[in-house]
Amino acid sequence: GENVEQHPSTLSVQEGDSAVIKCTYSDSASNYFPWYKQELGKRPQLIIDIRSNVGEKKDQRIAVTLNKTAKHFSLHITETQPEDSAVYFCAASYNQGGKLIFGQGTELSVKP
Amino acid sequence: GAGVSQSPRYKVTKRGQDVALRCDPISGHVSLYWYRQALGQGPEFLTYFNYEAQQDKSGLPNDRFSAERPEGSISTLTIQRTEQRDSAMYRCASSAGPNYEQYFGPGTRLTVT
Repeated sequence: GENVEQHPSTLSVQEGDSAVIKCTYSDSASNYFPWYKQELGKRPQLIIDIRSNVGEKKDQRIAVTLNKTAKHFSLHITETQPEDSAVYFCAASYNQGGKLIFGQGTELSVKP
Repeated sequence: GAGVSQSPRYKVTKRGQDVALRCDPISGHVSLYWYRQALGQGPEFLTYFNYEAQQDKSGLPNDRFSAERPEGSISTLTIQRTEQRDSAMYRCASSAGPNYEQYFGPGTRLTVT
């Protein structure tokens, strides 16, 4: 069935350290993998995404990697800052359509 | 330009009443999605439209839930005979097309008493 597993559920790092969040997906036909950041009381905001024809994508301090064979993808945040503190959700498209299946979320805390 | 908007932002209703939640997508966006998000959880897919056609309603929990997008723009999610378990944040998202970036609205917080 359709499923996205996300780990860890909570992550605490010191300011300046790196943070890595990992997700696995079940539908081998998934071809689009976005990451969302959600601050308390706010809407989820798209921060980066990757498509299945690409193995890695970077945007300043954020990068995402995709391993299609293993069906997993990861978010990497370097030089973390306190304003990176939020809940991060990974997602995978299902059945090659627009439907997104979300992971359970990772609460990232960056300590100054 | 304007992002996705939803109304009302908060809705308190009594058990057994019907409610209608509205979503106004980003102008020109073909695809519109409804999700439900419980506190501390990721959004859970309910249904989606391309233009006015409902493409997938597999996430609607039961037949009390329905959605429409008659002119391919604004959409309404209707919950009939509300129950306490329907209490949640209902979020709408829109995208330029299937498998394009989805942008979320602020959500409607529904409380059924």
